[in-house]
Amino acid sequence: GENVEQHPSTLSVQEGDSAVIKCTYSDSASNYFPWYKQELGKGPQLIIDIRSNVGEKKDQRIAVTLNKTAKHFSLHITETQPEDSAVYFCAASIMGSTLGRLYFGRGTQLTVWP
Amino acid sequence: KAGVTQTPRYLIKTRGQQVTLSCSPISGHRSVSWYQQTPGQGLQFLFEYFSETQRNKGNFPGRFSGRQFSNSRSEMNVSTLELGDSALYLCASSWTVSSGNNEQFFGPGTRLTVL
Repeated sequence: GENVEQHPSTLSVQEGDSAVIKCTYSDSASNYFPWYKQELGKGPQLIIDIRSNVGEKKDQRIAVTLNKTAKHFSLHITETQPEDSAVYFCAASIMGSTLGRLYFGRGTQLTVWP
Repeated sequence: KAGVTQTPRYLIKTRGQQVTLSCSPISGHRSVSWYQQTPGQGLQFLFEYFSETQRNKGNFPGRFSGRQFSNSRSEMNVSTLELGDSALYLCASSWTVSSGNNEQFFGPGTRLTVL
């Protein structure tokens, strides 16, 4: 099955700096890559996703890039704010089939210091 | 539009007991997936239901089971609880994973503690 690796496991940045989280996947059939943010005591919240026919996607301060050849994708957060502090998970799945289960990375604890 | 709801939010059981967790998906969503989250194993897929049928199953023992009702609400059951079953159980809903739209939205989870 699919294997998703996520780095780093912890990341501390100063408010206003950028944060980058990287993931790799193993199954070339995977074509859908969501990112989730999980705050303490809450379920994961979908923040952005990208499909394999797109190389980059942006939504305000958040962007995701995908390199299908290298099988890696990254989350970029610019102008970080203390409220960005949370655990971020990347995931991979095969869209458009009954095999749509999400395979998750182990998570990155992001701390933004004021 | 209301989000995914899960009940109960917290549960304490003892070894050997069984437990039933409930999930109500977003209105209109027909697919419900269940995940187990633990510090040691991360987020692991349990199973997925669509139109009252289990379409996909993860690598969990038969003690873990589920079902889906005609209104898309889902329940999962864990029998003969073990200490290692202590975890946050998350439910995610989507339109259908075979529609070309895999966006899955999670509920707040049920925190199960087995003593």
